[in-house]
Amino acid sequence: AQTVTQSQPEMSVQEAETVTLSCTYDTSESNYYLFWYKQPPSRQMILVIRQEAYKQQNATENRFSVNFQKAAKSFSLKISDSQLGDTAMYFCAYNTDKLIFGTGTRLQVFP
Amino acid sequence: DAMVIQNPRYQVTQFGKPVTLSCSQTLNHNVMYWYQQKSSQAPKLLFHYYDKDFNNEADTPDNFQSRRPNTSFCFLDIRSPGLGDAAMYLCATKGDYNSYEQYFGPGTRLTVT
Repeated sequence: AQTVTQSQPEMSVQEAETVTLSCTYDTSESNYYLFWYKQPPSRQMILVIRQEAYKQQNATENRFSVNFQKAAKSFSLKISDSQLGDTAMYFCAYNTDKLIFGTGTRLQVFP
Repeated sequence: DAMVIQNPRYQVTQFGKPVTLSCSQTLNHNVMYWYQQKSSQAPKLLFHYYDKDFNNEADTPDNFQSRRPNTSFCFLDIRSPGLGDAAMYLCATKGDYNSYEQYFGPGTRLTVT
């Protein structure tokens, strides 16, 4: 069975700095999708970035990028130039016919 | 804009009093999911529909039921809410099993008194 592990329950970063959130997963599949979702306090869950396992190139979306290490089954999220609006819960997720979520990392960006 | 809508956003019910939560979508997606999310936890999948086919998760209590009368709407019925059912309930849709992205609604926060 697939599992997703986020080992950092909470992180904090100063505005404009860079922060990296960790995620590892376990699967026997060779082709799959991985995601990072953001859930601000009392607000909607939104997709931040996705990675297709067969693509070696790391995905990038503006200030958000991933470090995808397929052999190590690692999928970390880097947020550059952190903004106050990045304060949220971040979930790493693995996609099959349903999403398998990690336990989440609460990120606090402070001025 | 195409979207996933959940009504109401906040629902208060009494212990044991049946409650229904609503989800609608304008994306014309085949798959609709219901998740339960408790404070500071990951969403937990309760069940999903692929078109009219209902797929229950093995550990979803019988107290939770769902209906999907058409492509656009899906309902979550809690037959006898207990205090432990207080949570955020998230609806999500996906075009097909092969699609990669789930689109989430804003959620309904359920309080049980």
